[in-house]
Amino acid sequence: DQQVKQNSPSLSVQEGRISILNCDYTNSMFDYFLWYKKYPAEGPTFLISISSIKDKNEDGRFTVFLNKSAKHLSLHIVPSQPGDSAVYFCAASETQGGSEKLVFGKGTKLTVNP
Amino acid sequence: NAGVTQTPKFQVLKTGQSMTLQCAQDMNHEYMSWYRQDPGMGLRLIHYSVGAGITDQGEVPNGYNVSRSTTEDFPLRLLSAAPSQTSVYFCASSPYRGNGETQYFGPGTRLLVL
Repeated sequence: DQQVKQNSPSLSVQEGRISILNCDYTNSMFDYFLWYKKYPAEGPTFLISISSIKDKNEDGRFTVFLNKSAKHLSLHIVPSQPGDSAVYFCAASETQGGSEKLVFGKGTKLTVNP
Repeated sequence: NAGVTQTPKFQVLKTGQSMTLQCAQDMNHEYMSWYRQDPGMGLRLIHYSVGAGITDQGEVPNGYNVSRSTTEDFPLRLLSAAPSQTSVYFCASSPYRGNGETQYFGPGTRLLVL
């Protein structure tokens, strides 16, 4: 049973518009969430995180929103750029769990069209 | 500073063959881990190590062995390859166990087992 779900395998947006990538989780013990970005033929790289004591975390063009009651988080990219085209993985863990407890979603492939 | 390196980049094995996937990091990181990524699935942890001489199992350890004799190297051994082990393997390192934000991933090894 998937504990972290990214139900959209792919998303296509126009350059300059907003990209919204969604992630749902089922384990109510999860209280720390991360987004990773992965380009082809490269390993994932950490992008942004949020803990359950917050409902929003912003880093430049990237903002992550957390809705604990809905067990849902989303990554907003504004404005989207062609270089943002990549696969985005959502991951979750319990704060005390450590890196080895991370649970990853399947990923969403974002394509930003010029 | 090469970061995390993985060799080989691509390998074809026959069922029953054994091989070792190499992973090395030059950042003096204590924490290292191995993940596999299968089509349509998120990354799943195979084994991890919190320091030289210390290893532990992740979510999907069966069929794999690891050892950590030095801080720099963390090889993953397939004892008797099976088609179900066809996957992309990522090695990662982090200065400490952490929560995932500090993980640096290698570029991956694509393995095909016939």
